[in-house]
Amino acid sequence: DQQVKQNSPSLSVQEGRISILNCDYTNSMFDYFLWYKKYPAEGPTFLISISSIKDKNEDGRFTVFLNKSAKHLSLHIVPSQPGDSAVYFCAASAASYDKVIFGPGTSLSVIP
Amino acid sequence: GAGVSQSPSNKVTEKGKDVELRCDPISGHTALYWYRQSLGQGLEFLIYFQGNSAPDKSGLPSDRFSAERTGGSVSTLTIQRTQQEDSAVYLCASSFPGLGTTGELFFGEGSRLTVL
Repeated sequence: DQQVKQNSPSLSVQEGRISILNCDYTNSMFDYFLWYKKYPAEGPTFLISISSIKDKNEDGRFTVFLNKSAKHLSLHIVPSQPGDSAVYFCAASAASYDKVIFGPGTSLSVIP
Repeated sequence: GAGVSQSPSNKVTEKGKDVELRCDPISGHTALYWYRQSLGQGLEFLIYFQGNSAPDKSGLPSDRFSAERTGGSVSTLTIQRTQQEDSAVYLCASSFPGLGTTGELFFGEGSRLTVL
């Protein structure tokens, strides 16, 4: 039973355009959401997070949008750069002291 | 360095052998997580330690898997009687209490396990 879903295994975007990575979740108790980036042979690195009291959080080129009623969040990267090519994981937690569950990931390729 | 340290970075073992994987979290982090990434798959939750609370073992795939955390710091993940399907990268992460201010988990580089 996958509680965090990323239905697009891969995504290709031209350099300079917007990348939109989507994530859906099933557990209505989740109230904290995170995005991680992973390069091959390295551990995941934190990108951005959002709590359920907000619907948007922005950090430089990265913006996360949360739609609680739809149990959906998305990560926008603009403008996309070739160095953004990596696997992006969406993650969620039911409370700040609960375990963090990850989605299966979306492989982003930014084409120069 | 000051990051999460995992050892060994690579382990090749024969089917049926036991293996131990070690994780040194960042000092001051009370939360520690183990995840597994099989080839082409996402991050599968295994176990979660938070302070002195009983660990959340709900992700352990079988009773061949166990983990302990000594003194609230170093953790060891043990896989007994390894099987080929245990081959994966095992990732450890740690965080401040309550995920800190950003919710960030700090990951190690992982231990790649290959069971022949």
